[in-house]
Amino acid sequence: NAGVTQTPKFRILKIGQSMTLQCTQDMNHNYMYWYRQDPGMGLKLIYYSVGAGITDKGEVPNGYNVSRSTTEDFPLRLELAAPSQTSVYFCASSIRPRLRAGRADTQYFGPGTRLTVL
Amino acid sequence: GIQVEQSPPDLILQEGANSTLRCNFSDSVNNLQWFHQNPWGQLINLFYIPSGTKQNGRLSATTVATERYSLLYISSSQTTDSGVYFCAGRSVNNTNAGKSTFGDGTTLTVKP
Repeated sequence: NAGVTQTPKFRILKIGQSMTLQCTQDMNHNYMYWYRQDPGMGLKLIYYSVGAGITDKGEVPNGYNVSRSTTEDFPLRLELAAPSQTSVYFCASSIRPRLRAGRADTQYFGPGTRLTVL
Repeated sequence: GIQVEQSPPDLILQEGANSTLRCNFSDSVNNLQWFHQNPWGQLINLFYIPSGTKQNGRLSATTVATERYSLLYISSSQTTDSGVYFCAGRSVNNTNAGKSTFGDGTTLTVKP
């Protein structure tokens, strides 16, 4: 298994440009997440998904959009890039057993995408 | 949302030393996890520990859910332990299953 893969690894955008960060997992996990990590800080949840066709906002969703058309893929879209979106973006996935609510949903992270908006 | 406070923010150790990292939550949490981010940025899950104690090699973790804190112990530290350690949890009052909150991390530097 490749686990969680993210592309691209690095990207520089100009203000106002758009781009999509790709995330794919091959572990058949039903939960997927997007986080951003600003320098010296912890991770902030942008959006998450509990399964194909279902997404929900996290702490910092403004300026981003997501979709989840398949179990494997969870792309993050930036429509009008701003300097405040300069950050490292991490995608993660986890599995939630249906039979026992509240059980572990250990998150597995991708390698991250370093985005700079100038 | 809940507040997550990690201490200390920075820690410098000599190789072979032991250390304790702490994570305090402003509310009762479940789904408590510890992560290590290595100097290259990769995040690895260390423990899922909503309560009790777990051990994995030189690392162990204890969560006292009733007092809203968790501890991560690192024994006989090695230079490869360097990086940032994060804890994360979800408030038991939060019905959104995906919403865990991360602390700002403890940056550990282990010197040879």
